[in-house]
Order: sequence, then C-alpha cells, then structure tokens
Amino acid sequence: DTGVSQDPRHKITKRGQNVTFRCDPISEHNRLYWYRQTLGQGPEFLTYFQNEAQLEKSRLLSDRFSAERPKGSFSTLEIQRTEQGDSAMYLCASSHGTPGYGYTFGSGTRLTVV
Amino acid sequence: LAKTTQPISMDSYEGQEVNITCSHNNIATNDYITWYQQFPSQGPRFIIQGYKTKVTNEVASLFIPADRKSSTLSLPRVSLSDTAVYYCLVGDIRGNAGNMLTFGGGTRLMVKP
Repeated sequence: DTGVSQDPRHKITKRGQNVTFRCDPISEHNRLYWYRQTLGQGPEFLTYFQNEAQLEKSRLLSDRFSAERPKGSFSTLEIQRTEQGDSAMYLCASSHGTPGYGYTFGSGTRLTVV
Repeated sequence: LAKTTQPISMDSYEGQEVNITCSHNNIATNDYITWYQQFPSQGPRFIIQGYKTKVTNEVASLFIPADRKSSTLSLPRVSLSDTAVYYCLVGDIRGNAGNMLTFGGGTRLMVKP
C-alpha cells in the first residue's frame, strides 16, 4: 500500500462549473476525512466517514458540496457551481483510529477557480 | 473542542535541538495530543502522538506534563530539511466524532545553516 492517493493533483475550472475529486485511502483504514486548506492557514475539517457512513459534516460544507464513500473504500468530493472562494487545497486523510498512528494525509488536490 | 496555542514562528540553526511548546488548557480526559509536519504543497505528515508523560520515536520526542495542559515537541539536531510548519492538535482520536482533530495556525520553523 503506497498511502493515500488523491486525484487529480491540480484542477483549474471556470466559475460555475462542477468538479469532483477522488481519494483512495489506505486499504485497512476505515476512517476517512476531507479537509480544505487555504494559503497560510491550517487545514479545516470538512467531513468524516466511518466505513461508508458519513458521520459528520462541518458547517463550512455548504449545500454545493457533497461527499460519498460507496462501499467504504474510495471517496469522492463534489463541488457544484464552483465559486472563486472555493479555490484551495483539498486534502483527504485516513486512519484506523488506533492511538499512536495519527492520520495519513494524501498530497491533496489544488483547485483554482477562475 | 480543545483549543491549542503555539508560537507562530521559530528560528533555529542546523544541528540544534528545537523545542516547540503547545498550550491546551481545556484538554479533555479522552483527548490525545498529536503533532504534524507540513511542507509547502504537501499534506500534513504525522510526527508523534501521546496521551501522557513522554513518547519517543525515531524522529521526535513528545513531553507531556502531569496536568496535560501543555506539551512540547522536541526535534533533536535539526537540519535544513526540517524547515516546515508544525501543528499541535488535541482530540479524542478513538471516538466517533469526525472533527476530532482541529488544526490551528501552526508554528513555522525556519532552520538556518
């Protein structure tokens, strides 16, 4: 297992378009998280899955954002009708919730909305 | 959620030991303390995690006093490649709440030659 994979690494889209990002977590991790990070700030929590169940969503996640994790494996994050304020790095992380190991983050998808 | 406070930035020189202290006065009984390192354009990388006393691994040590209201990340003999942002996080990692780990602004460590 090579870690958490995110695709694409970079995405440039026009305002108003829809975009979808994919995250492949470490296979034995049942927990999956999405974070968003803007320049100079720490990552902000967006949403969390335990297996296929979405257990928590941040208030930052507007109705334009939706995330899925079918079958408890990979996850997708979709942003509809993108806005310039959506420009950020979108980070995915996974864990098995065992003390001492922390989250494993992917390299992120950098979204630029023009 | 326990809030953390850490210095915005620190400077050091190659070969020195660096200690970054984080305050978390409202830490809860089930909370663990976790430190991450982040380089530009990369996701955060897990460094170390602890609950109490001292934890050591191949890259760092984590010192946690008995009251657990603060913690200190110790990086021995830093090199230029340790220049990064370091985040201290506190949360119940074993619970079912997703927002267990909230990132603050982090500490920007600059290692000079």
